[in-house]
Amino acid sequence: QQQVKQSPQSLIVQKGGISIINCAYENTAFDYFPWYQQFPGKGPALLIAIRPDVSEKKEGRFTISFNKSAKQFSLHIMDSQPGDSATYFCAASKGYSTLTFGKGTMLLVSP
Amino acid sequence: SAVISQKPSRDICQRGTSLTIQCQVDSQVTMMFWYRQQPGQSLTLIATANQGSEATYESGFVIDKFPISRPNLTFSTLTVSNMSPEDSSIYLCSVEADRVGGYTFGSGTRLTVV
Repeated sequence: QQQVKQSPQSLIVQKGGISIINCAYENTAFDYFPWYQQFPGKGPALLIAIRPDVSEKKEGRFTISFNKSAKQFSLHIMDSQPGDSATYFCAASKGYSTLTFGKGTMLLVSP
Repeated sequence: SAVISQKPSRDICQRGTSLTIQCQVDSQVTMMFWYRQQPGQSLTLIATANQGSEATYESGFVIDKFPISRPNLTFSTLTVSNMSPEDSSIYLCSVEADRVGGYTFGSGTRLTVV
């Protein structure tokens, strides 16, 4: 049973555009929602994370929007750049437990 | 956050053999985690390794196939035993980062079984 569903599987965005990746979760006990960025040949790196007490968190060009009632959260990348081309994973956990990952979104930002 | 060195970075192995992957962390950590990432897929937790105790395996993973050692607070190994082509994956170790709930990953070991 997949507890975190991520979409789309792949995404192509023009430079300067907005990239949007969505995730939905099933377990209402989840209380930590991070996004990871993975470049080819590298391990995933924590990009930004949110807890359900806020509906939005912004760090630079990256914003997480969180909808607790809908059990959904999304990553917005503003002014997308070719250097943002990577695979993005959403994840969720309860407390300090281990993460459950989405299946990933391969983002390509065209110049 | 912690820096993780993982070796080897890649290997091509014969069916039926075993490969041991090493994970070295530059600071002491209580728990270390081993993940598998199959081609184009997400990360699946194999096991959690605490120093001084047996690793805890997730459903679908067994100690005979993936024995883990954790001799101290900065080092762990994962062995992939009696390999088959289905074991071809990227194997990643991970530790909890400074930020609560955040995790740091090594660069991974890309394993190809032929």
